[in-house]
Amino acid sequence: EAGVAQSPRYKIIEKRQSVAFWCNPISGHATLYWYQQILGQGPKLLIQFQNNGVVDDSQLPKDRFSAERLKGVDSTLKIQPAKLEDSAVYLCASSWSANEQFFGPGTRLTVL
Amino acid sequence: QQPVQSPQAVILREGEDAVINCSSSKALYSVHWYRQKHGEAPVFLMILLKGGEQKGHDKISASFNEKKQQSSLYLTASQLSYSGTYFCGTEFPDNYGQNFVFGPGTRLSVLP
Repeated sequence: EAGVAQSPRYKIIEKRQSVAFWCNPISGHATLYWYQQILGQGPKLLIQFQNNGVVDDSQLPKDRFSAERLKGVDSTLKIQPAKLEDSAVYLCASSWSANEQFFGPGTRLTVL
Repeated sequence: QQPVQSPQAVILREGEDAVINCSSSKALYSVHWYRQKHGEAPVFLMILLKGGEQKGHDKISASFNEKKQQSSLYLTASQLSYSGTYFCGTEFPDNYGQNFVFGPGTRLSVLP
């Protein structure tokens, strides 16, 4: 069974630029999560989708972050414009239900 | 809202035991435990649902005291492969239905 795929794996941008991350969850997983993990901290949930509907986006900085999950499969997370404090690893996870989450390898973002 | 984990870090010799604690101020639906090795994505260990159950996974087990909103992860006869950062994830009801928050992590180092 293929795992959660994410791209790119690494991204370096300058502040005020835009960036987008892509996630392809495990086939059949209805729930998809985006997390931000700052070095030395636990993952922080940004947004949770159930199929293509948003379940929770209370921690998503909506003035600069946006996410969508078209057709209830792939998802993209966008930051526009990026700030220095956005430097982190962005993790995508999926689950069959709201139980065991399978994480992708993450995208390491560096904002200069 | 973020659960508290203790200790922050622990160093063990191979074969020794360890306990990692997680406590929340919220009434919890469930507690999840994940292990993350350096540079890798978190990996699911186990989930404990409301009901005060205890689960085991090889020599790693956990308990959930829903009256105290506390969970403990027990690592018995630790192996070198147990090294990593352990995160508890707590699921609790809020205005969105259910919220999920990871703790700050406990860094475990197992030495030969």
